[in-house]
Amino acid sequence: DTAVSQTPKYLVTQMGNDKSIKCEQNLGHDTMYWYKQDSKKFLKIMFSYNNKELIINETVPNRFSPKSPDKAHLNLHINSLELGDSAVYFCASSSERDYGYTFGSGTRLTVV
Amino acid sequence: GDSVTQMEGPVTLSEEAFLTINCTYTATGYPSLFWYVQYPGEGLQLLLKATKADDKGSNKGFEATYRKETTSFHLEKGSVQVSDSAVYFCALAVNTGTASKLTFGTGTRLQVTL
Repeated sequence: DTAVSQTPKYLVTQMGNDKSIKCEQNLGHDTMYWYKQDSKKFLKIMFSYNNKELIINETVPNRFSPKSPDKAHLNLHINSLELGDSAVYFCASSSERDYGYTFGSGTRLTVV
Repeated sequence: GDSVTQMEGPVTLSEEAFLTINCTYTATGYPSLFWYVQYPGEGLQLLLKATKADDKGSNKGFEATYRKETTSFHLEKGSVQVSDSAVYFCALAVNTGTASKLTFGTGTRLQVTL
């Protein structure tokens, strides 16, 4: 059983397109996150949801919109994709009880 | 704001050598500290953590001690293996109530050779 699963694993698309990445966790965690890892491996938080409520929204362009239909799912929709959006996007979840952060395996997005 | 500074890589060691990867932090609150490992082509895995001062996290032969006086959380291993080759990230999290976020260092690539 995969604890945090995200799809797709790879995504290649043209500039200007709209795409979505899906994430699901089966750990019963209350909080879910999206992180972006750039080409130099630097990881930075984008969003955090707690029980479907947006808690953290870092300085991310409005083209990025997270959606959490329930506390086990956090999807990321990206409009009008740009070359600079190319990165690996990681979903994660955590438990407030023990700081048990768990990451998905990542989605490598390539915009051409 | 919160930040994590870790030593620049890459670090290249021979098998069975001693490993130290330095990590220091600044935080507005009382953070928990983590080391994550990313093997080639894979996601992030929690390696170890410590939630309060003087705690020692350990896993798979790696260990790190939470030093509040020096704001450090250095990663050590007594004898590295080729299979330890990966990128290692130091991170902190401060609980602000309903959510906390991980703030990562820039990562240190470790290459272990025979």
